[in-house]
Amino acid sequence: ETGVTQSPTHLIKTRGQQVTLRCSSQSGHNTVSWYQQALGQGPQFIFQYYREEENGRGNFPPRFSGLQFPNYSSELNVNALELDDSALYLCASSRWGEQFFGPGTRLTVL
Amino acid sequence: DAKTTQPNSMESNEEEPVHLPCNHSTISGTDYIHWYRQLPSQGPEYVIHGLTSNVNNRMASLAIAEDRKSSTLILHRATLRDAAVYYCILNFGNEKLTFGTGTRLTIIP
Repeated sequence: ETGVTQSPTHLIKTRGQQVTLRCSSQSGHNTVSWYQQALGQGPQFIFQYYREEENGRGNFPPRFSGLQFPNYSSELNVNALELDDSALYLCASSRWGEQFFGPGTRLTVL
Repeated sequence: DAKTTQPNSMESNEEEPVHLPCNHSTISGTDYIHWYRQLPSQGPEYVIHGLTSNVNNRMASLAIAEDRKSSTLILHRATLRDAAVYYCILNFGNEKLTFGTGTRLTIIP
């Protein structure tokens, strides 16, 4: 059984640019959630997708958007990057209850 | 969201049991108590969850108070690999996980 994978591992962007992060969910999991983790903080919920539809959103601006594909993989897009967007972005897949997290993508905005 | 309260940090000696407390006085009847941990440079990892009864698995035990307003995660024999930040989270089904700051557990060799 393949776990949750994320790409890329690390990414450096400049302010104002756009970024796309990718997540492959664990086999059979129809729900994907995205979290942002700033240094020294706990992860903060961005949004969740269930069967290709957004199913809940945290306190993040509209420039954070996402997609879920028929195979349940997912993308997180961030437009107009700001310095404060520098963080570890985590994706988690689930079916019911337990969420399985990927290793994260470390985004640095300069 | 119902909130949880955990100590910021704890220390334990290697090969001894560790009891990590969590208070959740505003827990609702449908909230499950979940524990996740995050090892350095990794994503969070599920540890255990329960509703009312105490639970055991290969990683840990979860002791839940009779009034469900508090719980304790028990690592029976801590190893250096158990050094991590432990998060106590109230959750139902596939709802979002609301992480606090957790308890940073240090294991002393």
